[in-house]
Amino acid sequence: DQQVKQNSPSLSVQEGRISILNCDYTNSMFDYFLWYKKYPAEGPTFLISISSIKDKNEDGRFTVFLNKSAKHLSLHIVPSQPGDSAVYFCAARKSGANNLFFGTGTRLTVIP
Amino acid sequence: DTGVSQDPRHKITKRGQNVTFRCDPISEHNRLYWYRQTLGQGPEFLTYFQNEAQLEKSRLLSDRFSAERPKGSFSTLEIQRTEQGDSAMYLCASSLMGTSYNEQFFGPGTRLTVL
Repeated sequence: DQQVKQNSPSLSVQEGRISILNCDYTNSMFDYFLWYKKYPAEGPTFLISISSIKDKNEDGRFTVFLNKSAKHLSLHIVPSQPGDSAVYFCAARKSGANNLFFGTGTRLTVIP
Repeated sequence: DTGVSQDPRHKITKRGQNVTFRCDPISEHNRLYWYRQTLGQGPEFLTYFQNEAQLEKSRLLSDRFSAERPKGSFSTLEIQRTEQGDSAMYLCASSLMGTSYNEQFFGPGTRLTVL
């Protein structure tokens, strides 16, 4: 059963505009959420994270929002740059556990 | 380069053969994880070590799979009697216990193709 879901397999955005990637989860035991970026032939690279005690975390052009009541989080990238083109994975971790549960990924294409 | 390294990067084998992959984590990281990623899916957890102790194994890790981390540094993942369904990207990650929420850092992966 897919406990972390990314329902949009792909997203195209013009350079300079905002990219919004969405993620939904089903397990209320998740207390920590992460976004990873993956380029072809490379492993996932950690991007940004958020604890369940917060509803927003910002790091430069990247902001993650968490809506616990809706079991939904989103990653905002603004302004989007061509180098942001990659597959983005949402991941979640249960309280007290160490392994991550990943979504299926969203391929972001930023058009110059 | 002080990141997570994996060897080999690619492995092609025939069904029924045994294969072994190696992972070298970031040097000061005491936690090491193995994940498997198939086409169109996100990484799926296989197993986790803290130092040399294997603390958790997923039900995905059948008895044909074995992982070791003998000295708490590098780790190996062996698959015996490979099947075509084992074809996947095998990812290793490491993290440092005690840091904020133990972010996991991934290696480039080993792509296994079973013919």
